[in-house]
Amino acid sequence: ETGVTQTPRHLVMGMTNKKSLKCEQHLGHNAMYWYKQSAKKPLELMFVYSLEERVENNSVPSRFSPECPNSSHLFLHLHTLQPEDSALYLCASSQDWLGSYGYTFGSGTRLTVV
Amino acid sequence: SQQGEEDPQALSIQEGENATMNCSYKTSINNLQWYRQNSGRGLVHLILIRSNEREKHSGRLRVTLDTSKKSSSLLITASRAADTASYFCATDYNNNDMRFGAGTRLTVKP
Repeated sequence: ETGVTQTPRHLVMGMTNKKSLKCEQHLGHNAMYWYKQSAKKPLELMFVYSLEERVENNSVPSRFSPECPNSSHLFLHLHTLQPEDSALYLCASSQDWLGSYGYTFGSGTRLTVV
Repeated sequence: SQQGEEDPQALSIQEGENATMNCSYKTSINNLQWYRQNSGRGLVHLILIRSNEREKHSGRLRVTLDTSKKSSSLLITASRAADTASYFCATDYNNNDMRFGAGTRLTVKP
């Protein structure tokens, strides 16, 4: 365990479903991130939260909606996804929003959209 | 757009040999980080090297940074089958925007 826990580990959803991914860290980190990892592509930064405020939104489609209720929890709400959204979704945290000391990643949620 | 690019894309070696992976980037950085990822899992932070450092060691890992060439290398000495994984470099592209390359897939044969 890295200290960053993601649930569920696997998720299969239809294009009309609504689901949420959850990330939790108890490392005392102040920043949390969502990344998308598709096959044979670099990791794509989706969202950055620093002290519960969103500081980055990399032109992510509105069908992905993040929520950060406190500095320990981060959610990614999913609705009306497309098959091309199938990927490994990784949550990460860092001590500061600059990532000056490196990132700690969770094990990811493998999402399949059918 | 991608900031760090690893080379080679794939590397296959025998156990006991050394493995060298390279990373090139485009813009100035504050730090460069190397991560490892086992298949279908999250990334594990290996080493962070700051822009004013040239070399850093951690166990069997050695990282170098050449800011004039905008490149870094990761050397794994005396490799083991358990080192089989994908290795990524990441650079702080724009403060809080860490950009990762597509990775080098390392296979260490027993």
